[in-house]
Amino acid sequence: QKEVEQDPGPLSVPEGAIVSLNCTYSNSAFQYFMWYRQYSRKGPELLMYTYSSGNKEDGRFTAQVDKSSKYISLFIRDSQPSDSATYLCAMTDTGNQFYFGTGTSLTVIP
Amino acid sequence: NAGVTQTPKFQVLKTGQSMTLQCAQDMNHNSMYWYRQDPGMGLRLIYYSASEGTTDKGEVPNGYNVSRLNKREFSLRLESAAPSQTSVYFCASGPWGGVVYSPLHFGNGTRLTVT
Repeated sequence: QKEVEQDPGPLSVPEGAIVSLNCTYSNSAFQYFMWYRQYSRKGPELLMYTYSSGNKEDGRFTAQVDKSSKYISLFIRDSQPSDSATYLCAMTDTGNQFYFGTGTSLTVIP
Repeated sequence: NAGVTQTPKFQVLKTGQSMTLQCAQDMNHNSMYWYRQDPGMGLRLIYYSASEGTTDKGEVPNGYNVSRLNKREFSLRLESAAPSQTSVYFCASGPWGGVVYSPLHFGNGTRLTVT
């Protein structure tokens, strides 16, 4: 079983839609959770990170962590064509070793 | 402030040739990492260096060697390239442990094709 599971999609939504991206994990020791955005032919760039359970909001993006269910989510409100990218979840226990999902490909159609 | 810089951006090798991928970071981070990214496989850790002078194997180290030249630079070497090493290679850096947590920062990758 992989440490982190992520639905690869692809996901296609109309502009303005709310997008929900999700990951599940198996290691209860994970306590830092990250979302990276990766545009085509670019490296992953950090979008948001959270510690432990709860929600964190940054503009149109909300990251949610449910440690009891071992489940994390990223919500994108009022999605824009510029949000079209691959989204990677990542997590770590100590901040030394990082575990990544395989990524979800998102296309926002104008 | 460039962050993490990787060279070259693209490379085509024939089977059996060797090459070195270069990575440099200017964020004064202790740790550096090499990942490969393949379709459907996500990011897989090849090697990492927790600090200058130390290196450790990751999930897929076979066929690769690394050198942590100094705090800024971490290189990845393919001694005898194989078609299975066709991939996109990413270097990343970050602080190592400690009280203050910080996520990894990535370069823009080297796209390697082995024919």
